[in-house]
Amino acid sequence: DGGITQSPKYLFRKEGQNVTLSCEQNLNHDAMYWYRQDPGQGLRLIYYSQIVNDFQKGDIAEGYSVSREKKESFPLTVTSAQKNPTAFYLCASSIGRGSETEAFFGQGTRLTVV
Amino acid sequence: EDKVVQSPLSLVVHEGDTVTLNCSYEVTNFRSLLWYKQEKKAPTFLFMLTSSGIEKKSGRLSSILDKKELFSILNITATQTGDSAVYLCAQFNTGTASKLTFGTGTRLQVTL
Repeated sequence: DGGITQSPKYLFRKEGQNVTLSCEQNLNHDAMYWYRQDPGQGLRLIYYSQIVNDFQKGDIAEGYSVSREKKESFPLTVTSAQKNPTAFYLCASSIGRGSETEAFFGQGTRLTVV
Repeated sequence: EDKVVQSPLSLVVHEGDTVTLNCSYEVTNFRSLLWYKQEKKAPTFLFMLTSSGIEKKSGRLSSILDKKELFSILNITATQTGDSAVYLCAQFNTGTASKLTFGTGTRLQVTL
């Protein structure tokens, strides 16, 4: 089945540790996105990528890093510099620039700092 | 900076009521506006709007875009408890790298 997969679903991290969230898609989409969602709030854009080996900062990129070495994969690293990392993280993909289509979402990763 | 503003932030209605959710946007190089429904985890797609004045409809839900006023509405008629969710509005731009920006969402609760 085609889709977008995030793992793990739940993640616990000690303060001061880096942690990487996985996002894989088999939809042959060029564009991929990472969002953060806090309770009662909308989705805030962290990073996005239109093509392999290229990505742009979103509105809240500080304390996060990404890579796009393969079209299918767009992992997000939450670094120790992120002051308040506890949140729900959503990954999305879309066909890409110039195509009129919706974005598809993974099921999310809930990160808790303990 | 691209910006999407939704109102109201939350809404409680009785089953059978009709509701209108609002979305305004400020964006350079607008491409399309999207509506999503989020019940638990992953948002699910409802509508994509690219042209002004053309209503998109799916069952009891409908949406329309006004590109002159930079505004969109989502209507839900004869609401049901299953419509309880957060409704998200988002816009794509056509910049050098297409950016998908979401609003804060409207939390709708439908009561019996």
